[in-house]
Amino acid sequence: GAVVSQHPSRVICKSGTSVKIECRSLDFQATTMFWYRQFPKQSLMLMATSNEGSKATYEQGVEKDKFLINHASLTLSTLTVTSAHPEDSSFYICSARVGTSGVLGSYEQYFGPGTRLTVT
Amino acid sequence: RKEVEQDPGPFNVPEGATVAFNCTYSNSASQSFFWYRQDCRKEPKLLMSVYSSGNEDGRFTAQLNRASQYISLLIRDSKLSDSATYLCVVNPIAHMFSGGYNKLIFGAGTRLAVHP
Repeated sequence: GAVVSQHPSRVICKSGTSVKIECRSLDFQATTMFWYRQFPKQSLMLMATSNEGSKATYEQGVEKDKFLINHASLTLSTLTVTSAHPEDSSFYICSARVGTSGVLGSYEQYFGPGTRLTVT
Repeated sequence: RKEVEQDPGPFNVPEGATVAFNCTYSNSASQSFFWYRQDCRKEPKLLMSVYSSGNEDGRFTAQLNRASQYISLLIRDSKLSDSATYLCVVNPIAHMFSGGYNKLIFGAGTRLAVHP
């Protein structure tokens, strides 16, 4: 399957600082990448959809000014958690879409290994 | 009502057992369905897509019942390595031109523990 990498895999930061997480598609071009957040024992929650060259589409309840997303190229999307607080501590996972388009098209998402953020 | 609902488990089964997971979804217009597995503190990995006619991949069989909005996953001859959380995933929106916005909705997952 397609390979998606994320960096860093783990980060601990102080409250009030900003953290940038990178997501890269290694062997394919991803016009669309997705950012998820997962709290312990809960489901993945989609935060935003990132399209190359355009503004991200945020899900309801996700603050766009706090979670800055940039998708500057077909292989790289970044998520910056600004002014992080302890409640932002979570597992952040990106994914990239691979597949065909059209009415009968289907697609699959491949996930990066995730970034575990701890805000102290 | 949640968009995708699963029994959280855990299912504790011995090696060699057959185990079935169920999932229901609320949006009748949903078009694509998947099962992912997620190991502890890892990212989800695609296990298999689910097709209307049902499909099988080795020990794994997936079924879709559109009328009941119900998806199932059957695992035969369970292995210790099958221990994980199984996520039912639905694409709830059909787009005429899917170059647009398609998103996946994840169930909370069903935990499976296979013991010797």
